[in-house]
Amino acid sequence: AQSVSQHNHHVILSEAASLELGCNYSYGGTVNLFWYVQYPGQHLQLLLKYFSGDPLVKGIKGFEAEFIKSKFSFNLRKPSVQWSDTAEYFCAVNINTNAGKSTFGDGTTLTVKP
Amino acid sequence: NAGVTQTPKFRILKIGQSMTLQCTQDMNHNYMYWYRQDPGMGLKLIYYSVGAGITDKGEVPNGYNVSRSTTEDFPLRLELAAPSQTSVYFCASSYRGQGDSPLHFGNGTRLTVT
Repeated sequence: AQSVSQHNHHVILSEAASLELGCNYSYGGTVNLFWYVQYPGQHLQLLLKYFSGDPLVKGIKGFEAEFIKSKFSFNLRKPSVQWSDTAEYFCAVNINTNAGKSTFGDGTTLTVKP
Repeated sequence: NAGVTQTPKFRILKIGQSMTLQCTQDMNHNYMYWYRQDPGMGLKLIYYSVGAGITDKGEVPNGYNVSRSTTEDFPLRLELAAPSQTSVYFCASSYRGQGDSPLHFGNGTRLTVT
């Protein structure tokens, strides 16, 4: 079974700082990778996804993530965060033969100070 | 489009009571899922369904039951509620079971069992 590890449980940044959230997964085969975001009081929504092709994927609101297969990593980045990026971020992985069942990391709470 | 709709938003149960969490989606998705999210932890899969009439257990199914009589609805039943079931419950749907199809989430149900 696959597993997902997010190393940062809580990150606090000032506006305009750069962001990188770590995500590592364990599975030896082909995976699909996602970052979801949960803004305060809202439901989880897709930030970006990778399933093939260019390992650098761009998502909404200026976020991007890079898939590094050799490191089993899919780190999320943003060059300059805004106060509105305050949210909880979840990394998730699934495999094509698993009925779309996703395995989630424990989440990272990002607080951006104005 | 309403997307994925969950009711109720909040509920307090006494130990031993039962209840049904409702979930409906209007996107004609075949795949539906129930996750629970405990504080500081990621989402854990309770049950999932690949189509009407077909359900299967996820990672943490004990104490829950589901049914899927229609494509739209996927209710989650709690029998004999226990404090360990205090959690936030998310229903999600997916266009297809291939891993590249992201999950669409409802707003969640916050359940407290006392």
